[in-house]
Amino acid sequence: IAGITQAPTSQILAAGRRMTLRCTQDMRHNAMYWYRQDLGLGLRLIHYSNTAGTTGKGEVPDGYSVSRANTDDFPLTLASAVPSQTSVYFCASKRHLSTEAFFGQGTRLTVV
Amino acid sequence: QQPVQSPQAVILREGEDAVINCSSSKALYSVHWYRQKHGEAPVFLMILLKGGEQKGHEKISASFNEKKQQSSLYLTASQLSYSGTYFCGTRYSGTYKYIFGTGTRLKVLA
Repeated sequence: IAGITQAPTSQILAAGRRMTLRCTQDMRHNAMYWYRQDLGLGLRLIHYSNTAGTTGKGEVPDGYSVSRANTDDFPLTLASAVPSQTSVYFCASKRHLSTEAFFGQGTRLTVV
Repeated sequence: QQPVQSPQAVILREGEDAVINCSSSKALYSVHWYRQKHGEAPVFLMILLKGGEQKGHEKISASFNEKKQQSSLYLTASQLSYSGTYFCGTRYSGTYKYIFGTGTRLKVLA
């Protein structure tokens, strides 16, 4: 692993199903973030974590949950997917609060 | 709420200049600029930590005016490779959330 990795890269999901998007980084960054990107709406923050063991809600958290059991992993779970959650999801990490963000390659999720 | 970027979109000819603005209603702690190519993840361009400070990267520079709560990205003598969507990223003072501006789509034509 080099940098930050997301899995899967794309997924088609039936509405009502549970889904976990994985995010792993090997840079020992303290802060991690999940964003969704929809056409015309830019990147919107879903959840974040400043350090292992802590998480916080972003601007659009409803329908999503996260956990941060260790420094490297920050999974995003959709408990019961709905079509409005169709989007491209990006995971990002930062060494400290004031440093730049590094992004995973994204997960394209389609809920049908 | 997200910082607002202007313009929303701009089309340039190679060699022309452009300015992209990022404005906030809240006090900004720092500003980062990113460029995203179609189908790819955003990539970091530069960071601005102090008010009025300018940073440069190739023919791209930026400024940060704390008083106006605004940052501007300057692209000079644009190249085809500058095409993409530009985002400002920021953390408001007193919060751990890292959020992005609304984005500016830039296309450079030959």
